[in-house]
Amino acid sequence: AQSVTQPDIHITVSEGASLELRCNYSYGATPYLFWYVQSPGQGLQLLLKYFSGDTLVQGIKGFEAEFKRSQSSFNLRKPSVHWSDAAEYFCAGGGDFGNEKLTFGTGTRLTIIP
Amino acid sequence: DTGVSQNPRHKITKRGQNVTFRCDPISEHNRLYWYRQTLGQGPEFLTYFQNEAQLEKSRLLSDRFSAERPKGSFSTLEIQRTEQGDSAMYLCASSPRGRNYEQYFGPGTRLTVT
Repeated sequence: AQSVTQPDIHITVSEGASLELRCNYSYGATPYLFWYVQSPGQGLQLLLKYFSGDTLVQGIKGFEAEFKRSQSSFNLRKPSVHWSDAAEYFCAGGGDFGNEKLTFGTGTRLTIIP
Repeated sequence: DTGVSQNPRHKITKRGQNVTFRCDPISEHNRLYWYRQTLGQGPEFLTYFQNEAQLEKSRLLSDRFSAERPKGSFSTLEIQRTEQGDSAMYLCASSPRGRNYEQYFGPGTRLTVT
């Protein structure tokens, strides 16, 4: 069955430092992959998406992600975080066997320290 | 550009009562999705519509849950005889024609069953 795993429950980084959030997927074929961000009490905002083609995708707010088939990963990166990036980040996958639904990971909570 | 809207944003109800939530998708998005998110978890798929047709329902959607999208525009999700385990954030998303996996989420309705 398709699944998305986010191995890090909570990550703390200093403001201005670089960030990498991990995401691993298990799908029968190349899935569609997404990163969403959720601020407390809010819905999810789409940061970026990967469907095919260039394995390095750019998103909003200075985020990027790289699809690595050999590692079944789709890690999210940002070169320099801002205090406003503190939130919950969810990796999601879809597209296996024509399923319309997205399958989400359990999320990574990002804390930014001054 | 109006995003997905959901009403109410918060609902507190007593166990055994019925509740109904509404979702208004982005204009001209033909697909509409419902997800449920419990504390500390990623969203889980409940059901989705293409126009007014309900095309898939998750096993999470018990007999007490019903969703409709009568005219292919807004959708309602009703929970009958609520239980404490129904307490969660209920998220609605919509996607544009031909880009089904590009789902845009609303702010959610937080349900608390006492």
